[in-house]
Amino acid sequence: GENVEQHPSTLSVQEGDSAVIKCTYSDSASNYFPWYKQELGKGPQLIIDIRSNVGEKKDQRIAVTLNKTAKHFSLHITETQPEDSAVYFCAGGSNYKLTFGKGTLLTVNP
Amino acid sequence: DAGVIQSPRHEVTEMGQEVTLRCKPISGHNSLFWYRQTMMRGLELLIYFNNNVPIDDSGMPEDRFSAKMPNASFSTLKIQPSEPRDSAVYFCASSSTNQPQHFGDGTRLSIL
Repeated sequence: GENVEQHPSTLSVQEGDSAVIKCTYSDSASNYFPWYKQELGKGPQLIIDIRSNVGEKKDQRIAVTLNKTAKHFSLHITETQPEDSAVYFCAGGSNYKLTFGKGTLLTVNP
Repeated sequence: DAGVIQSPRHEVTEMGQEVTLRCKPISGHNSLFWYRQTMMRGLELLIYFNNNVPIDDSGMPEDRFSAKMPNASFSTLKIQPSEPRDSAVYFCASSSTNQPQHFGDGTRLSIL
């Protein structure tokens, strides 16, 4: 089955700096890679996703890149704000079967 | 638009008791997923349904766990009998064909 590794497990940045979270996957058949943000006491919320036929996708301050050859994908958040503080999860697989990374606790210090 | 609705939000019960978790997916979504989240194992897919039919239950940990989807707007996850190691947050998610999964806010289950 699919195995998704996520790094780092914790990340602390100053407000306004950029944050980068990286994930690797093992199954070359995986074709869908969403990123979720989870706040305390809430369910994961989709923030951006990318499919295997696309190398990069951007939505305002958030961007995701995918390298199919190396089997890794990354989340980039620019101009971080305190409200970006949360746990971020990457996932890989298909629309119907996702394997999640273990999460990254992002803290944005004012 | 209402999101995925789960109930109860919190459940505390004693070992050996039956536990039933409930989920109402987003209207119009035809796929429904049950996940379990723990510190040790992260977020794991237990089972998913497509058009009310269970498609993949390979993540269901034991026969003590069962899930049903009697209609397009309701699903249950049942644990009988419950054990302390079942303590976790259980999430339900739904999606429409080839669209992202939307999660509910989960049920925090504690088995004493």
